[in-house]
Amino acid sequence: ETGVTQSPTHLIKTRGQQVTLRCSSQSGHNTVSWYQQALGQGPQFIFQYYREEENGRGNFPPRFSGLQFPNYSSELNVNALELDDSALYLCASSLDRGNGYTFGSGTRLTVV
Amino acid sequence: AQSVTQLGSHVSVSEGALVLLRCNYSSSVPPYLFWYVQYPNQGLQLLLKYTSAATLVKGINGFEAEFKKSETSFHLTKPSAHMSDAAEYFCARAGPDTDKLIFGTGTRLQVFP
Repeated sequence: ETGVTQSPTHLIKTRGQQVTLRCSSQSGHNTVSWYQQALGQGPQFIFQYYREEENGRGNFPPRFSGLQFPNYSSELNVNALELDDSALYLCASSLDRGNGYTFGSGTRLTVV
Repeated sequence: AQSVTQLGSHVSVSEGALVLLRCNYSSSVPPYLFWYVQYPNQGLQLLLKYTSAATLVKGINGFEAEFKKSETSFHLTKPSAHMSDAAEYFCARAGPDTDKLIFGTGTRLQVFP
């Protein structure tokens, strides 16, 4: 198993800018999810992709968007960054809900 | 709404003492349940999962959890705490009608020598 890798590990952006975060899922895992974890809180579900189609979304505005590619990689894009977007962004992949989700180490985004 | 409640945002134990971290879920149908551990500046690592095969689930690092439907609980225990167990612990659920993970607010475990 190769695990889940995310890049970059840290990022600093200015309010109003756009950012793309990347994730490489475990081989064979067709489902990838993205979570936002603000400081001192539990992760919050942003959205999920299954075989390159979005099939679930949390309470996040449309400026949060994503893509999943056939090679098990995926992206999280955030437009018009706000200060409150500062958080740890986690990518997770799974075979199915019963098997659990393998998380990456996350990308720490700071918006100034 | 489906939710996960972790009682106690902070738990402190002495090294060698019993660890008990509490988790309750709300659902009329038993969901899939998970415990994750997060060390500082790291992602989440799966400790164990309940998927209806057995009510007592054994995980990594000596942790185990018992699913009690009558109490809608899934508490995490470890007989003897080690200094390396100090971390943030999250209880989470998935299903029965959603793949997304719903997390509790987390419990920070401190272990004193």
